[in-house]
Amino acid sequence: DVKVTQSSRYLVKRTGEKVFLECVQDMDHENMFWYRQDPGLGLRLIYFSYDVKMKEKGDIPEGYSVSREKKERFSLILESASTNQTSMYLCASSLWTSGESTDTQYFGPGTRLTVL
Amino acid sequence: QQPVQSPQAVILREGEDAVINCSSSKALYSVHWYRQKHGEAPVFLMILLKGGEQKGHEKISASFNEKKQQSSLYLTASQLSYSGTYFCGTENTQGGSEKLVFGKGTKLTVNP
Repeated sequence: DVKVTQSSRYLVKRTGEKVFLECVQDMDHENMFWYRQDPGLGLRLIYFSYDVKMKEKGDIPEGYSVSREKKERFSLILESASTNQTSMYLCASSLWTSGESTDTQYFGPGTRLTVL
Repeated sequence: QQPVQSPQAVILREGEDAVINCSSSKALYSVHWYRQKHGEAPVFLMILLKGGEQKGHEKISASFNEKKQQSSLYLTASQLSYSGTYFCGTENTQGGSEKLVFGKGTKLTVNP
């Protein structure tokens, strides 16, 4: 069974802290994504990685960075957390298709981050 | 360019039908539909590619209108289990992007 796991379901941090969100997939997928989900705004792409050590900015990368040292693991880093980064963070992965339509994305359960 | 979903929310009684639309200001290559139940991860429903082929999944089906740059999701004889937020994700070009742009979602509530 396909599985994407995230390190925490709930996280509470203080303003200015460095925050790491971890995502692991067991499907040998090339692509991994970090989204932010806020009420009324849908899913917004923060960063995307199509291979180890490769990354691409999404629509809202400001205030975030990512790391992908191994194929199965994709980390989202908040260098200095701020209150406006309080949100639900979803990780996803998909196969590299390099041709036809992009493949199905499999999502993790999400991490609800609160920054005080 | 984020696709526009309509309506934003819909409330149904069990057995009623609903249509959710997803429109793009740019030409569409593919539309992907996902459903997210409360407190859970989004789950894939179906993909529609440029070409207008209608797809189905139990009593949930979808169409792709290339001229209107729009996809519609049809939920017939709705069940309580259909409740959730439906998202469309779009691609505007064929191949290579590996990414989707998601709409803001449509919240569907099915009551007994």
